[in-house]
Amino acid sequence: GAGVSQSPSNKVTEKGKDVELRCDPISGHTALYWYRQRLGQGLEFLIYFQGNSAPDKSGLPSDRFSAERTGESVSTLTIQRTQQEDSAVYLCAIQLIPGGNTIYFGEGSWLTVV
Amino acid sequence: GENVEQHPSTLSVQEGDSAVIKCTYSDSASNYFPWYKQELGKGPQLIIDIRSNVGEKKDQRIAVTLNKTAKHFSLHITETQPEDSAVYFCAASENTDKLIFGTGTRLQVFP
Repeated sequence: GAGVSQSPSNKVTEKGKDVELRCDPISGHTALYWYRQRLGQGLEFLIYFQGNSAPDKSGLPSDRFSAERTGESVSTLTIQRTQQEDSAVYLCAIQLIPGGNTIYFGEGSWLTVV
Repeated sequence: GENVEQHPSTLSVQEGDSAVIKCTYSDSASNYFPWYKQELGKGPQLIIDIRSNVGEKKDQRIAVTLNKTAKHFSLHITETQPEDSAVYFCAASENTDKLIFGTGTRLQVFP
């Protein structure tokens, strides 16, 4: 929604494999976020990119998680050596207005680790 | 850092009744408080927000109130309809910092 496209929409992977989740935001966004949502749970902040500043990685749960943003566009969230507890919806969100707080979410990537 | 608590975790109301969801925050520097609605299988959608220079904001059947002194804010839905059934999240942030979300409230409106 609102100019954020995520892929894949669903991913089933075997424990121990690496996965990459992609976020394609509308051009002109000012900041990009990744959140994790476990089944029936709230939204857990993972990482935040804004402009050329160093990303805020304070929410990444372990060193198996990393994220990159290419220029000011596509972002990928990588989970290495997946574990069953990584099963969740991974949501990408963007800010559209400089200095504005409102963020708009994509539909999410559902990850299931079996 | 900011911590947001949300209550109740589930809420069931009869169609036409009002629903109230409450949140508290810990960081007095927070100045932006949005509410999101999440329907099954979809990403959260912003429904209303309020900034710290305003005490109340209303949009049709939805209103949000903010008490800065007590550090709590609430979502009020009047004349509830079955399509209001969803999970609602509150959040708080300071300026352009990241949003910290509450744990969500599952609202069920029975016809």
